[in-house]
Amino acid sequence: EAGVAQSPRYKIIEKRQSVAFWCNPISGHATLYWYQQILGQGPKLLIQFQNNGVVDDSQLPKDRFSAERLKGVDSTLKIQPAKLEDSAVYLCASSWSESYGYTFGSGTRLTVV
Amino acid sequence: DAKTTQPNSMESNEEEPVHLPCNHSTISGTDYIHWYRQLPSQGPEYVIHGLTSNVNNRMASLAIAEDRKSSTLILHRATLRDAAVYYCILRDPDRGSTLGRLYFGRGTQLTVWP
Repeated sequence: EAGVAQSPRYKIIEKRQSVAFWCNPISGHATLYWYQQILGQGPKLLIQFQNNGVVDDSQLPKDRFSAERLKGVDSTLKIQPAKLEDSAVYLCASSWSESYGYTFGSGTRLTVV
Repeated sequence: DAKTTQPNSMESNEEEPVHLPCNHSTISGTDYIHWYRQLPSQGPEYVIHGLTSNVNNRMASLAIAEDRKSSTLILHRATLRDAAVYYCILRDPDRGSTLGRLYFGRGTQLTVWP
């Protein structure tokens, strides 16, 4: 089966600019997650969707981060405006259920300069 | 959020078995123990998970202590491709969701020597 697709693979922007990341989960996976991974740390959950509804966005910095999952399939994560501390890898994952585990994409590496 | 304790790093020689320990003394009765690994420049990859009984799959084995307060991921014959960060993760019981979102700690960096 095809994996979780993410784009772009890399992005470099200046602080205060905007950026968007795209994720296409595995077909049929109702649950989608966005994680932020800062260098040297484990991934940190930002937001979880179940179909096109938000289940948990308690760790999402809502003053600058937003995410949507239209039609319960693809998802976008946006940062506006970006700060230097947003430099990280942004990972998307999807799952059928806990019993089947998560499948992660390769991530988008964001560098804010 | 991390409720597991793992060594920061471990080393192994190629083709030798590797035992990666994880302590989770506050595990609840319904928590699953998940293991993921992350190769360089890639997203985490599912390895194995279990609840009470030991589990085996093509990648590894998971040995769970009888009191469930610790577990060990066993790679039977390490290869250079197994060099990665290994994460031991519990489903967070405080979230109250059946969807089992994962919370990662820093994991164990496994180095495999040729």
